[in-house]
Amino acid sequence: KAGVTQTPRYLIKTRGQQVTLSCSPISGHRSVSWYQQTPGQGLQFLFEYFSETQRNKGNFPGRFSGRQFSNSRSEMNVSTLELGDSALYLCASSGTGVENTIYFGEGSWLTVV
Amino acid sequence: SQQGEEDPQALSIQEGENATMNCSYKTSINNLQWYRQNSGRGLVHLILIRSNEREKHSGRLRVTLDTSKKSSSLLITASRAADTASYFCATDPSYSGAGSYQLTFGKGTKLSVIP
Repeated sequence: KAGVTQTPRYLIKTRGQQVTLSCSPISGHRSVSWYQQTPGQGLQFLFEYFSETQRNKGNFPGRFSGRQFSNSRSEMNVSTLELGDSALYLCASSGTGVENTIYFGEGSWLTVV
Repeated sequence: SQQGEEDPQALSIQEGENATMNCSYKTSINNLQWYRQNSGRGLVHLILIRSNEREKHSGRLRVTLDTSKKSSSLLITASRAADTASYFCATDPSYSGAGSYQLTFGKGTKLSVIP
């Protein structure tokens, strides 16, 4: 079955703009989480959604937000972009089994100029 | 903040040799997962080991977990040039609750396998 799909793969935005990234989880997976990866901070957890509800949130400012739809697809939004928001944004999905293996997509590369 | 640290930060070996990477973490965990990342790509899941398991195998991969020392190791046997990548351990802290699926990553080990 298809893996986690993220769009767009690459994008360039200007400081002050906002951006929306999309993620389609593996079919049947109801948990979707988002991570930011930068050379300086590494991989950091942003938030996690399950059945349209945010269950956990990482230590990021309110400019970072997300949502999940009834079909489990998720979007994350970053408003008032800053240069430091340039990063690889990774979406992951997981089922509800005992072994909650978490599968990642290819990511969306965001460059803020 | 980072949960753990991978050791070494970088490792260069010849094709056919074994590669061992270590990971330490700080809090109690539900499970620990290892991932591979090729340059600029997403994370590929390699193996998950639960907190009540001590060793797990998958093909050329062997993972051990020592919860008393809060550490894990990943062994790749008979390495190939295609194994060149960064390897990350990720923990699911038990304080996050069962099923919350919030991973904390180390900074990774960059493995280079020379043909």
